[in-house]
Amino acid sequence: EAQVTQNPRYLITVTGKKLTVTCSQNMNHEYMSWYRQDPGLGLRQIYYSMNVEVTDKGDVPEGYKVSRKEKRNFPLILESPSPNQTSLYFCASSLHLGTQYFGPGTRLTVL
Amino acid sequence: DQQVKQNSPSLSVQEGRISILNCDYTNSMFDYFLWYKKYPAEGPTFLISISSIKDKNEDGRFTVFLNKSAKHLSLHIVPSQPGDSAVYFCAAGGSNYKLTFGKGTLLTVNP
Repeated sequence: EAQVTQNPRYLITVTGKKLTVTCSQNMNHEYMSWYRQDPGLGLRQIYYSMNVEVTDKGDVPEGYKVSRKEKRNFPLILESPSPNQTSLYFCASSLHLGTQYFGPGTRLTVL
Repeated sequence: DQQVKQNSPSLSVQEGRISILNCDYTNSMFDYFLWYKKYPAEGPTFLISISSIKDKNEDGRFTVFLNKSAKHLSLHIVPSQPGDSAVYFCAAGGSNYKLTFGKGTLLTVNP
């Protein structure tokens, strides 16, 4: 089954404790992206990657890092999480311009 | 500056009637547009798209209209069904794989 998976689905952590949210797709898509969804703000792009070893900032990259060492994986790293990074995070992938396929989401709470 | 705007946070319609969701954009470099549907606790799912060279695209009960001169698009759902109740996101993209999303409109279809 073609899908985008994210882990963990739910995470509660404390300020300053490094964490990684994994994202994996099995569709051989070149393009992958991370978004965060906040009430009243919709979906905002954090980082995106157009291929292996090619990443670029989205609209809200501060406080986040990404890497794309393999085509299928695109982890999101929070080196020192803060409460304002409490949010719902989505990973997405696409083969070409247009339709992006989204993962189920990761709800992160930073205390 | 918000490049993609959905000015109605919510919309309520009766089952069987037409639902019209609106979206405005400011960036004339956008050349394709998409609508995504999102249920609670799930990732957004692709609904329908339209290229800037078209003014209408239809898929079953869903039709998207694009007015380039007004920088406006709309999604029509006819007839509306209770299962259509969800948050609908408008998104726009250009040549760089980057999608910009609106804040979303919560559609409620009442039986």
